[in-house]
Amino acid sequence: SQQGEEDPQALSIQEGENATMNCSYKTSINNLQWYRQNSGRGLVHLILIRSNEREKHSGRLRVTLDTSKKSSSLLITASRAADTASYFCATRANNLFFGTGTRLTVIP
Amino acid sequence: EAEVAQSPRYKITEKSQAVAFWCDPISGHATLYWYRQILGQGPELLVQFQDESVVDDSQLPKDRFSAERLKGVDSTLKIQPAELGDSAMYLCASSLIMDSGFMETQYFGPGTRLLVL
Repeated sequence: SQQGEEDPQALSIQEGENATMNCSYKTSINNLQWYRQNSGRGLVHLILIRSNEREKHSGRLRVTLDTSKKSSSLLITASRAADTASYFCATRANNLFFGTGTRLTVIP
Repeated sequence: EAEVAQSPRYKITEKSQAVAFWCDPISGHATLYWYRQILGQGPELLVQFQDESVVDDSQLPKDRFSAERLKGVDSTLKIQPAELGDSAMYLCASSLIMDSGFMETQYFGPGTRLLVL
């Protein structure tokens, strides 16, 4: 079974709003990564946060990690229509496990 | 910017036929991965190579799937015979060599979408 589980499964917001998606995982990790996938395409790496980090920023992205709760969140600020995609968290013990994904729709 | 190449992009085949997918990773990336992604789900690792050696193929259905990376560069994933349930996106990814247990950023190709009729 997959390690990570994203929540919500689907999210629809207006352009300019912020989008928050969450990821829960089951076992200890070295780091956690977030990826984006546009419809029918490959995945693109967004950001990596290490297990000893609590928060990380990259442009309009903000990722938090709570290892005590085995959870992470991805915040996209000032969303754009181009942010419409599926977002996956990925965790690793020895292999990379992807969650089920959050489908984000940004309405222009 | 270097990219992972995959071909073909789309493949339609009939059940019981053989299919093969090809992947060329980013130059210098020692680690190569094949994933299967069923529609609406996250990618699931099928096999991982470190250079030409298989590191993990625990999730590879070995009765019908095979993968090779003979020279430690490009790789081929084969399905024989294909079944209806194999319809999915097959993704290839590569990363730099990694220390034990430490996950590296993975770079994905565009995928091959397989439809088995």
